[in-house]
Amino acid sequence: DSGVTQTPKHLITATGQRVTLRCSPRSGDLSVYWYQQSLDQGLQFLIQYYNGEERAKGNILERFSAQQFPDLHSELNLSSLELGDSALYFCASSSGTATYEQYFGPGTRLTVT
Amino acid sequence: AQSVAQPEDQVNVAEGNPLTVKCTYSVSGNPYLFWYVQYPNRGLQFLLKYITGDNLVKGSYGFEAEFNKSQTSFHLKKPSALVSDSALYFCAVRDFYSGAGSYQLTFGKGTKLSVIP
Repeated sequence: DSGVTQTPKHLITATGQRVTLRCSPRSGDLSVYWYQQSLDQGLQFLIQYYNGEERAKGNILERFSAQQFPDLHSELNLSSLELGDSALYFCASSSGTATYEQYFGPGTRLTVT
Repeated sequence: AQSVAQPEDQVNVAEGNPLTVKCTYSVSGNPYLFWYVQYPNRGLQFLLKYITGDNLVKGSYGFEAEFNKSQTSFHLKKPSALVSDSALYFCAVRDFYSGAGSYQLTFGKGTKLSVIP
């Protein structure tokens, strides 16, 4: 158990809908990262927050947004969902200091029908 | 820009034999390198990292990795494979010169390791 929690575990929704994925980092970790894992694209970095501020952006679509709250949990919002958004979404956290390794949550499997 | 290549989609090895999963990287500065393992329907688990120092890094579950700067490689190794090692393995890199507070990792596409009994 990495100490990173994600909810929900599974999500099934229809095209055009909006969903919110939630992540709680390990105790004491200031950085949260979001990744998308799909069979054709592999593991893609989406976005990073550090202590409430956006710090790095990767291949995140404009339909997607994220935030990190004062208690350091983070939410990833996916809107106007398309079939191609079906994937595993992982959250990871790190201390934000020199150790650098990230610890991953169990993921949320999103299925768009 | 930083990138990682895992040239083998799949590696098959007999139980008890040594295993190697290959990784090469490209960064503009000094690399920070990582290996992660993913079991079916699970998140990624951190195995080991190279930041600086000895080129041979030891990690969890008996795994080790050898950093080779001249060949820009960071191959994962284990002297004796177990059936339970069968999983998806990811190599990742971070450029030392990434922006302050930005600890973005770039992952390879993954190598599926199958250990045959």
